[in-house]
Amino acid sequence: GAGVSQSPRYKVAKRGQDVALRCDPISGHVSLFWYQQALGQGPEFLTYFQNEAQLDKSGLPSDRFFAERPEGSVSTLKIQRTQQEDSAVYLCASSGAGGTGNSPLHFGNGTRLTVT
Amino acid sequence: GIQVEQSPPDLILQEGANSTLRCNFSDSVNNLQWFHQNPWGQLINLFYIPSGTKQNGRLSATTVATERYSLLYISSSQTTDSGVYFCAGARTGSARQLTFGSGTQLTVLP
Repeated sequence: GAGVSQSPRYKVAKRGQDVALRCDPISGHVSLFWYQQALGQGPEFLTYFQNEAQLDKSGLPSDRFFAERPEGSVSTLKIQRTQQEDSAVYLCASSGAGGTGNSPLHFGNGTRLTVT
Repeated sequence: GIQVEQSPPDLILQEGANSTLRCNFSDSVNNLQWFHQNPWGQLINLFYIPSGTKQNGRLSATTVATERYSLLYISSSQTTDSGVYFCAGARTGSARQLTFGSGTQLTVLP
């Protein structure tokens, strides 16, 4: 597609519910990233995929967070047993470079998650 | 991880004015990017600039890698330039994991 597409745009979950956030990167982009952005702050790295391989998940805040990219294209970020502190905007980004990932990063519009 | 400091945190300009935004890094980086987040939350990549100078219309950026800082210049500002400007960098050897600064909130008044 023309850009990175994320869905849903907004998600409200009750505390304890599981959620799944989808990211469709730019066609042909090898690298895919998930970031979390709290209100008034810069995005924070969560995890990185090169094709279907998850090469870095050091930013995932707890074992309730899980990401996958089984066919090297669409990715899903899953949060189990959501907590209020999970409320944030979840941003997906892709880039055309593999390897070190040194190329411009293109972001989707994000999913705003609110946990009540 | 690296620390990224952006200045100023807030900036208010009259339309037509010029401005310079600065980004300092605590360590050497070989992946440095500037982004604009518009009021609707969309993050737009402005520059991929690990070193040197680039220009794109009214915007230009310069990175002095040896001194660990980068500058973003906005000339003849317009109200549509309003939003938050972020720089982000990744340390040599960890080039995938971009660390973002806390941003500069720019407001351009008509």
